[in-house]
Order: sequence, then structure tokens, then C-alpha cells
Amino acid sequence: EPEVTQTPSHQVTQMGQEVILRCVPISNHLYFYWYRQILGQKVEFLVSFYNNEISEKSEIFDDQFSVERPDGSNFTLKIRSTKLEDSAMYFCASSEKHPSWMNTEAFFGQGTRLTVV
Amino acid sequence: GENVEQHPSTLSVQEGDSAVIKCTYSDSASNYFPWYKQELGKGPQLIIDIRSNVGEKKDQRIAVTLNKTAKHFSLHITETQPEDSAVYFCAASNFAYDKVIFGPGTSLSVIP
Repeated sequence: EPEVTQTPSHQVTQMGQEVILRCVPISNHLYFYWYRQILGQKVEFLVSFYNNEISEKSEIFDDQFSVERPDGSNFTLKIRSTKLEDSAMYFCASSEKHPSWMNTEAFFGQGTRLTVV
Repeated sequence: GENVEQHPSTLSVQEGDSAVIKCTYSDSASNYFPWYKQELGKGPQLIIDIRSNVGEKKDQRIAVTLNKTAKHFSLHITETQPEDSAVYFCAASNFAYDKVIFGPGTSLSVIP
């Protein structure tokens, strides 16, 4: 069964450093998302991406964050200068169609645990 | 913006019993309500969803009900099994937007 894969599974970085979280969405999917989950808290939407541009972003997704689909298969989330409060599990998701279509499901990856020290 | 509340935060049931998780949402424009199951070390997985033009939907042992007037929706799991043990998230979305707003989650433990 096709799946969304994320690398690395765990990333430890020093405060102020840049990190890039990588995702390989399911191959025929067109809509891509990043969510994060701070330990013990709810899953929060960060950004959605379609047709090589951001289609929607949350208040969390400030200038320190950026997304890119560099080569048609990978989908990356970059945090320019990490803060302690960026420590969280980051989930990538993809869907074949826009959520408004019937029988469209967003498939989530297993997540990357980011620890900022 | 949308806010989704979920109760209870933890739930323990005996194997074979039913489990019910309840959610409320704030934005009357929300029209899509997915439920996700998250097992340890994995990402959320969609288990069932319901759209605002439907009051109830069932898939084997799982059912979801929606009361649009009261802005309530619930997940019902019957004949629970140990493998149902996980964190369950309700969520709400408006098709005018891409994002899904998650509830805080319910940790379900099914005791053999």
C-alpha cells in the first residue's frame, strides 16, 4: 500500500540552527500538508501546498518557516532559525484531490520528532 | 476561527464493551468531520468521516453521528478489541479552506 514517508524519524538540533524536514508524498497526490504536534497537545495545521505554491497557512507558519517541492517527489519543511518551542512532532500529509472532493483522504506520514536544545 | 473540543481525554473500557467519544465545534460553516486514529509512533490515520449533509455514518464496528444544530459529533466503537487502543482525534474542516482543525485527542485503552 502506498504511504507517505518522512525522514529523519528524529532530529536533534541546537537553537538557532536551520533544519530541513523531508517528506515523500504518495506519487499521484497533488495536495501536500504539514502539521505539527507538540508533546501532549493537539495536532495543528501549518501549511498546505498545491501547484507549486502555498495555498493556505496558519498563524504558526511565520517567516521562519518555508516549504518547497524541489524535485517533483520530495516535499520539504525548512525552519530557518529554530527555537526551543519548535520542538514537536512534524507530520507531512498528502491527498490526491482537494478535501472538498468526495472520498478524498489525506494520508499522514509517521512523523519527524524535532528536538531543539 | 474554528475550535474543536473533545471528551473524554482518557477512556478505559473492557474488551467487548462500547466506547463513545464526543466532540463539539464552534464554526457553523464547518462541513466535514473526520476522525483519526493515532497509534504509538505513527501518524494519524483516517478511520471514518462524515459530511454535513449526513446525520449518521457506519462502517462495521465504527459509527459517527453529527448534530449540526447543536454542533456536536460523536464516534461510537462497538465490540471493542485490544487493537482499538490508541489516541483518537476528531477534527473539523470547511471545504473553502484546506486545513483540518483537530480536537485535543482521546486516549482509549481497551482492557482484555
